[in-house]
Amino acid sequence: DTEVTQTPKHLVMGMTNKKSLKCEQHMGHRAMYWYKQKAKKPPELMFVYSYEKLSINESVPSRFSPECPNSSLLNLHLHALQPEDSALYLCASSPCPVSINEQFFGPGTRLTVL
Amino acid sequence: TQLLEQSPQFLSIQEGENLTVYCNSSSVFSSLQWYRQEPGEGPVLLVTVVTGGEVKKLKRLTFQFGDARKDSSLHITAAQPGDTGLYLCAGGAQKLVFGQGTRLTINP
Repeated sequence: DTEVTQTPKHLVMGMTNKKSLKCEQHMGHRAMYWYKQKAKKPPELMFVYSYEKLSINESVPSRFSPECPNSSLLNLHLHALQPEDSALYLCASSPCPVSINEQFFGPGTRLTVL
Repeated sequence: TQLLEQSPQFLSIQEGENLTVYCNSSSVFSSLQWYRQEPGEGPVLLVTVVTGGEVKKLKRLTFQFGDARKDSSLHITAAQPGDTGLYLCAGGAQKLVFGQGTRLTINP
């Protein structure tokens, strides 16, 4: 299995809702990432998990809460989001967290906040 | 802070033409990756270059890493409509730095 899967593909939520994005990989990778991508921009790093521990938080607002239940799964819990949080949310994984950082991306979750 | 600058930002050419996309930095990178992204999808890794001066080929795509490991280029020979997409260069350890991307359109 050489892919990263993400669910759901699309999500529409109100500003008072609580929802979660899920990401899974079975490549034995030990680093996993959440990115946010706005239209016509490159991905922006949000969080990095290395060996199931949060190693980087790019000053992301607390309404985004990551969780890494095990080495194959990564969640992003969403609460009280704002319309400007609407974007494509990408999960990625890499075999090594340092040196040659080849990252493999999932297809993304298109999030719309009303 | 490591930065990557890509040029051109937009490129629209006819099928069959050749093109080159550039990725430049003032910083040294231990490796650089090239990705292609289609609308609404995640980036797909095309290649990683590691050694200064390295050249890698992927069918009609040729990737080169600069001798000083500060720049890279992507050359496409005889472009086809299926090559249309956003091309991103990226580099860095743990925190991947992305260029702004080159939006390529190949017209039939």
